[in-house]
Amino acid sequence: QKEVEQDPGPLSVPEGAIVSLNCTYSNSAFQYFMWYRQYSRKGPELLMYTYSSGNKEDGRFTAQVDKSSKYISLFIRDSQPSDSATYLCAMIKAAGNKLTFGGGTRVLVKP
Amino acid sequence: GAVVSQHPSWVICKSGTSVKIECRSLDFQATTMFWYRQFPKQSLMLMATSNEGSKATYEQGVEKDKFLINHASLTLSTLTVTSAHPEDSSFYICSAREAKNYGYTFGSGTRLTVV
Repeated sequence: QKEVEQDPGPLSVPEGAIVSLNCTYSNSAFQYFMWYRQYSRKGPELLMYTYSSGNKEDGRFTAQVDKSSKYISLFIRDSQPSDSATYLCAMIKAAGNKLTFGGGTRVLVKP
Repeated sequence: GAVVSQHPSWVICKSGTSVKIECRSLDFQATTMFWYRQFPKQSLMLMATSNEGSKATYEQGVEKDKFLINHASLTLSTLTVTSAHPEDSSFYICSAREAKNYGYTFGSGTRLTVV
C-alpha cells in the first residue's frame, strides 16, 4: 500500500463547477501538506501549503487538512478551462525534507 | 515568491554521450535541492537529494555513477546523465525549498530524449 493515495481520475467537470480533490495518507508523521498543479510537460506549481488541521483559503482555492482522519482536500471554485491539469498532493514529515507525492489526479474542465 | 530556473527545457542527445542539466534558485539560497524523474502519466520519483558542498544522497535503485550530481554553490545544482541510453529518456525536474515554512518550488523540467 502506498503512503499517499490519490484517485488518478480523470475528473471531468463543466466550467464554473467546484472541483473537489482529495488524498489519504497512512503515516501520522506527515505534518506539512501541499497541493501542486502540473500542466503537461511542465514542472509542478505550488498552489497551497498547510501545516495544521483546518482550512486555508487563497483566492479560488481552499485546502483542508484533517489529521485525525489522515485526509486532505483541495477545492477549486468557479473552475475554468485553464484549470485543466494534473493536481498532485504532497506531504513532509516534521523532521524530514523529502516530499512524498500522491499519484496525481487529472482534471478536465470543459467549456 | 521563490523561483527555480531549470535549463535546458529540452535536449536530444545521441546514445553514449553525456548531458548536463542545471537547476538554479534565482532569489533565494538553497542548501538542499532535489532531483526527480517523471515518466508519462506518472507521479514524480525522487532520484537524489543534492547537498551544497557535499555528496548527494541517492534513492535506492538510482545509479550514482550514471546520474552525477554537483551542488557547488547555494544557488546551483547540476545533474549530469552520463553515457546516456534511450531508457534514460524521461522528464527530469529539480526543486528547492526557500525556508521551512514554505513549500517546495520546482523548476520547469527538462525533457531528455536519447536517440
